[in-house]
Amino acid sequence: ETGVTQTPRHLVMGMTNKKSLKCEQHLGHNAMYWYKQSAKKPLELMFVYSLEERVENNSVPSRFSPECPNSSHLFLHLHTLQPEDSALYLCASSQERDQETQYFGPGTRLLVL
Amino acid sequence: GENVEQHPSTLSVQEGDSAVIKCTYSDSASNYFPWYKQELGKGPQLIIDIRSNVGEKKDQRIAVTLNKTAKHFSLHITETQPEDSAVYFCAASAYNQGGKLIFGQGTELSVKP
Repeated sequence: ETGVTQTPRHLVMGMTNKKSLKCEQHLGHNAMYWYKQSAKKPLELMFVYSLEERVENNSVPSRFSPECPNSSHLFLHLHTLQPEDSALYLCASSQERDQETQYFGPGTRLLVL
Repeated sequence: GENVEQHPSTLSVQEGDSAVIKCTYSDSASNYFPWYKQELGKGPQLIIDIRSNVGEKKDQRIAVTLNKTAKHFSLHITETQPEDSAVYFCAASAYNQGGKLIFGQGTELSVKP
């Protein structure tokens, strides 16, 4: 167990739905990340938060909206997604932002119909 | 920006044999190189990492080597066991790029008993 939990583990949604992914870390870390993992492609960094402040938005479409209410919780709000957004969404945390070991959660498997 | 290439994409070995996975990177400023193992239904887990001030690091059956001149690094697993079967990812990070991890495409390792 890595200390990073994600809910839900699986999610099926239509293109007009609104849903949210939740991540919680129990490690006392200051940085949290959202990654997208698609089949046959490298992990793609989406967002980085450091001390609850967004420090990186990696050209992610606005239909993905992150929220970090405190250093232990990270959300990814989903709205009007496309079928190509179907993927495994991984949350990770690290002690600090720079070149620290990142600990990943199990991911949320998302299917957009 | 940084680009990481990983080979092979799939690797099948007999139990007890060695396995080697290779990665190359493009940004000479990269100085942190972690390796992650991802089992089915789980998020990636760090198994070993190396920084650019050393050329080799070993942890039991796992070793990583780094050639800064050639800009490549490799993961070596000796005496492979069926539980080593997983997808392995290399990554590279440059301190002057905010420590962002750039991942390779992954290698699916299968260890046959």
